[in-house]
Amino acid sequence: GAVVSQHPSWVICKSGTSVKIECRSLDFQATTMFWYRQFPKQSLMLMATSNEGSKATYEQGVEKDKFLINHASLTLSTLTVTSAHPEDSSFYICSAKTPGLASEQYFGPGTRLTVT
Amino acid sequence: QQQVKQSPQSLIVQKGGISIINCAYENTAFDYFPWYQQFPGKGPALLIAIRPDVSEKKEGRFTISFNKSAKQFSLHIMDSQPGDSATYFCAAGNFNKFYFGSGTKLNVKP
Repeated sequence: GAVVSQHPSWVICKSGTSVKIECRSLDFQATTMFWYRQFPKQSLMLMATSNEGSKATYEQGVEKDKFLINHASLTLSTLTVTSAHPEDSSFYICSAKTPGLASEQYFGPGTRLTVT
Repeated sequence: QQQVKQSPQSLIVQKGGISIINCAYENTAFDYFPWYQQFPGKGPALLIAIRPDVSEKKEGRFTISFNKSAKQFSLHIMDSQPGDSATYFCAAGNFNKFYFGSGTKLNVKP
């Protein structure tokens, strides 16, 4: 149980275009999902917290107009990188929090974004 | 300010040996301390987690030791195997948010 999927697993896009990444909790409902960014050989940096039915909470320094997050259902959150630039190239990972008192956070397999 | 400090950056252990990774945190309000294992090109996988009401938690070959007064916790991997070779991240926080350490790349030699 507690499986989180991401789609696509990798994507290449041209500079100036937008790309959408999906995060799904497959076997549980997640009222809260998180989006992280990871540079090569570095740690995970929390970008934003996504709550179902409400606006996302962004970490300091993360441009909310550039990284649009939508959490339309209890099993799906999307991250849209708008007007992508080469410096946005990174590994984007989502996680979802299981419900209940013994809540745990499970991560998706990640999405490799390359902006040319 | 770095919320969670992790060491060592890299670790080489012989097969069958014990791997030890240490983390320290600053915020005494943190109440959740998980460890994640990550293979190249994959997302982190939850290994084991501890809450501050206990000093140790063991699951199979993996043990977390927690020292609340020192604000430190560590991961011990007993009988380390080549398949354990990966990057390990500690994290600290609460239900709403947690912060990751910088990671430890473990290489278990056969």
